[in-house]
Amino acid sequence: AQSVTQLGSHVSVSEGALVLLRCNYSSSVPPYLFWYVQYPNQGLQLLLKYTSAATLVKGINGFEAEFKKSETSFHLTKPSAHMSDAAEYFCAVMNQAGTALIFGKGTTLSVSS
Amino acid sequence: DTGVSQNPRHKITKRGQNVTFRCDPISEHNRLYWYRQTLGQGPEFLTYFQNEAQLEKSRLLSDRFSAERPKGSFSTLEIQRTEQGDSAMYLCASSVRGTEQETQYFGPGTRLLVL
Repeated sequence: AQSVTQLGSHVSVSEGALVLLRCNYSSSVPPYLFWYVQYPNQGLQLLLKYTSAATLVKGINGFEAEFKKSETSFHLTKPSAHMSDAAEYFCAVMNQAGTALIFGKGTTLSVSS
Repeated sequence: DTGVSQNPRHKITKRGQNVTFRCDPISEHNRLYWYRQTLGQGPEFLTYFQNEAQLEKSRLLSDRFSAERPKGSFSTLEIQRTEQGDSAMYLCASSVRGTEQETQYFGPGTRLLVL
């Protein structure tokens, strides 16, 4: 069965610093992986997705993620944090049937000036 | 493309009452999904529709929950005899064809509080 683990429920960075949000997955089949962002009292917005076309995936707002099969990881990074990046971030894997997303518990990103 | 919309955005009800939520997917999206998100957790899958057919239900969807998608357009999620444990954000999403790699677009959610 597929599952996702997000290491660190809360990450704090200074404005301009590197953002690194960790995600490890478990899957018995080649995974389809996604990162979503959720701002307070809003739904989820797709940041990027891995669909096996390329291991380094670029998304919106300057975010990118690298798929590493040997480490079963799909960590999200951004070179320089902005105040507007403060939000909750969810890593997700598509289930084997291709019918539902399985989400991690989320990581709250705080950005200080 | 106006995005996925959900109504109401907030609902407060007393234990034992019935509530109904509505989701309008992006037009021409064949698949529609319902998820539930409790505080401090990621969304959890409840059910999905391919056009008007409900094809899968999670074990989280107890007998008190029922979802419909008449004519394959909007969908409703009804909770009967609400319990305090039903308090959560209910999220709706839709996708075009429902392939594994396809993006699910989420609505803003309906936040339910059961007193």
